[in-house]
Amino acid sequence: DIQMTQSPSSLSASVGDRVTITCRASQGIRNDLGWYQQKPGKAPKRLIYAASSLQSGVPSRFSGSGSGTEFTLTISSLQPEDFATYYCLQHNSYGLTFGGGTKVEIK
Amino acid sequence: EVQLVESGGGLVKPGGSLRLSCAASGFTFSSYSMNWVRQAPGKGLEWVSSISSSSSYIYYADSVKGRFTISRDNAKNSLYLQMNSLRAEDTAVYYCASHPVAAFDYWGQGTLVTVSS
Repeated sequence: DIQMTQSPSSLSASVGDRVTITCRASQGIRNDLGWYQQKPGKAPKRLIYAASSLQSGVPSRFSGSGSGTEFTLTISSLQPEDFATYYCLQHNSYGLTFGGGTKVEIK
Repeated sequence: EVQLVESGGGLVKPGGSLRLSCAASGFTFSSYSMNWVRQAPGKGLEWVSSISSSSSYIYYADSVKGRFTISRDNAKNSLYLQMNSLRAEDTAVYYCASHPVAAFDYWGQGTLVTVSS
């Protein structure tokens, strides 16, 4: 199975900060990766698909990059509603695997 | 509007069984592979099982293999997860989700399964 290593596991940031989260795959997954945001008590919501494509309705401050084994989610200017937990998901091969999550907290 | 609505969760004793259902609407259910994903309290997301559109291909996480069975009824636009020999570590919110295909990606609201004596 493909392992997804996500870092950091948590971070503290202020409104307006630029935030970067990374996922590393244990083997190449082309661009078969999505980024999800989850708030407490809610289902995950996908922000980015195919590593770098913005899901419809998602603010443009979110962006994704990478291919193969290294992927990045960037929030260009953190907003109050962005404080949440973020996960990557690889769907290149079964079993699907999620990263361990990154909790973004208010500094 | 696409909707996925899970049901069937609840409290069950260790060793017991439970069947989860997911009712789909607003899209051509029979065209999409589907997944079950779970989240233990305070933990991250864990993929559980997947089924292809025609049920030809089925996959399970090692943690549930031999105990859980995924199935679907395309005529009823429904996805199922039969869970047997339940353990405390199966306690989680279980989500029904469409398999990511380009921009198409939908999740249900989740149903809580608690395994406790």
